[in-house]
Formats: sequence, structure tokens, C-alpha cells
Amino acid sequence: GAVVSQHPSWVICKSGTSVKIECRSLDFQATTMFWYRQFPKQSLMLMATSNEGSKATYEQGVEKDKFLINHASLTLSTLTVTSAHPEDSSFYICSAQDRGPGAFFGQGTRLTVV
Amino acid sequence: KQEVTQIPAALSVPEGENLVLNCSFTDSAIYNLQWFRQDPGKGLTSLLLIQSSQREQTSGRLNASLDKSSGRSTLYIAASQPGDSATYLCAVNSNQAGTALIFGKGTTLSVSS
Repeated sequence: GAVVSQHPSWVICKSGTSVKIECRSLDFQATTMFWYRQFPKQSLMLMATSNEGSKATYEQGVEKDKFLINHASLTLSTLTVTSAHPEDSSFYICSAQDRGPGAFFGQGTRLTVV
Repeated sequence: KQEVTQIPAALSVPEGENLVLNCSFTDSAIYNLQWFRQDPGKGLTSLLLIQSSQREQTSGRLNASLDKSSGRSTLYIAASQPGDSATYLCAVNSNQAGTALIFGKGTTLSVSS
């Protein structure tokens, strides 16, 4: 199956700093990637849809100025958490689809803001 | 708005038992349904994908069924093993390929040896 690589797998940052998370499709081109967030014992919730070459589409309640998404190429999307605060601590995970119907997920990033 | 519910939230069984995990969704107009496995602190591993026109899919000891009209899917695990311990997530794709998935909260399975 298709491979999606996400980096870093975990990060600890100080409150007020920014953190960038990368999501790469390794063996296929993805015009669309998705970013999800998962709080403990909760479901994965869609944050935004990342479209190559255009602005991301954010879900209701997700601050676009706080969670910056860039999809500069067909194989790379980045999520930058700006001015992170402890309440942003969560598990962030991206997904992409190849030409088939299935979705493939990255390994996820555990963000801890202290 | 599509909602996905998984029952039970947690399940503990002894090794060797057969078990069934349940998933229900409110809008039967789905494109496909996918079952994933998630280990603690890890990403998602796709287990089975069922297209809306299909009724079941099998992979090894796993069998997933889909009853679209009633909004239900089940994941059957035969002869459970301690290595099956993980959280199992059900997700539906409501529109078409290339759109985001809607997830349930998952069932956390613990298989004891």
C-alpha cells in the first residue's frame, strides 16, 4: 500500500513557540491531504483539508491563523502550530490518498507544550 | 451530519476467543467504510476497506461486514491473540474518494494470555 511519512513523531516545545509538522507521501502524489487531531480517549477530528497549490479548507472551530497549512508540492504538506499553548498539546496525524479509495495515514506527531 | 458510533468502548477477552466489534453510522449514504488499528501513541494501520457496494471483506483472521441500509458494520476477529490488543477505529467516507474520513471513538481491545 501507499506510504505516508510524518515527522517528527514527537515534539516538546515551550509555550509561545511555533512547531512545524511535515507530512510526505513517499510513493505517490497526493493533491489532497488531511490533518486530524486526536485528544486522549477521543476520536480523530478533522482539522483541515490541505490542497496542493491552494489555500487549505479549515473545519469549523479551527483557527486558520494558529494552524498554518502549506501544501507546496504534490508530496508534501506541512502544519505549523503557531504560538503554541498547553491546550494545543495533542496527537496530530495526517492522511493522504492515492488513486484508490483507501486513506493512508502518517505515524502521527505527539505535541506537548510546556 | 454523519456520526459514527462504536460499541463497546473497551473489551477484555482471554486469548483464543472470537469477538465482534460494532460500528454504526447515522447517514447510510456512504462511499466506503474502513477499519483501522491504532497502537498506543502510534499512527493508524488500515485493516479492511469495504466499498458501499460490498457486504464484507476478509483478511486473515479478520472479517468486516457492512449493512449500509441499516448503517452498521462489524469487525469479527477470530481466535484472538495478545498481539491483537490495540484500539480499533471505524471510519466512513461519506462522499467520494478524496474526501476526509469521519471516525468513531474506537474500541480498545485487551487480549490476555
